Amino acid sequence: GESVGLHLPTLSVQEGDNSIINCAYSNSASDYFIWYKQESGKGPQFIIDIRSNMDKRQGQRVTVLLNKTVKHLSLQIAATQPGDSAVYFCAEIPSSGGFKTIFGAGTRLFVKA
Amino acid sequence: DTAVSQTPKYLVTQMGNDKSIKCEQNLGHDTMYWYKQDSKKFLKIMFSYNNKELIINETVPNRFSPKSPDKAHLNLHINSLELGDSAVYFCASSQGGQGIGAFFGQGTRLTVV
Repeated sequence: GESVGLHLPTLSVQEGDNSIINCAYSNSASDYFIWYKQESGKGPQFIIDIRSNMDKRQGQRVTVLLNKTVKHLSLQIAATQPGDSAVYFCAEIPSSGGFKTIFGAGTRLFVKA
Repeated sequence: DTAVSQTPKYLVTQMGNDKSIKCEQNLGHDTMYWYKQDSKKFLKIMFSYNNKELIINETVPNRFSPKSPDKAHLNLHINSLELGDSAVYFCASSQGGQGIGAFFGQGTRLTVV
């Protein structure tokens, strides 16, 4: 079946360091992959997405890498700040799914000052 | 102004009761969703509506009945509440049906006692 999962449930980094959050997915027939950030008491917030025909996309302090060979997605956050502390979800939109986003289990990022 | 607003934010009720959660978006989006987030933070889509029409119903018990009176509103009514319904329910909206860049509400924490 379709599934999107994460290697690490929690990640603790020092402020100023770079963070890498990983995600493995099993459905190779997907159009888009998305990273969401969820802060405590709030709803998920879109960070960045990547099409399945790309392998890298950069945003402001964030980079998403897609390796379709091993079905792996990662989110890199440069110069991690305390405000980056949150739960991060990877999600995929199957090409056959339509109107459906499948979320992974989430990784909690702790940023130590 | 809040883009996607849900009411109430907290809801505590007894088993067997019927309750409703309201959602409104002021983004002009044509697609709205309901997601359920369990205690382990796992997010799962329940319903999606496009232009007031039901597109996705992810094997949700028929005790859950969404209603979309117009494109800006998607309400969720739950009959005969059960303990297992306790969760955080998120409403979201997007332009187009792929959920790309979906905006989420703050969530409604439902506790069934």
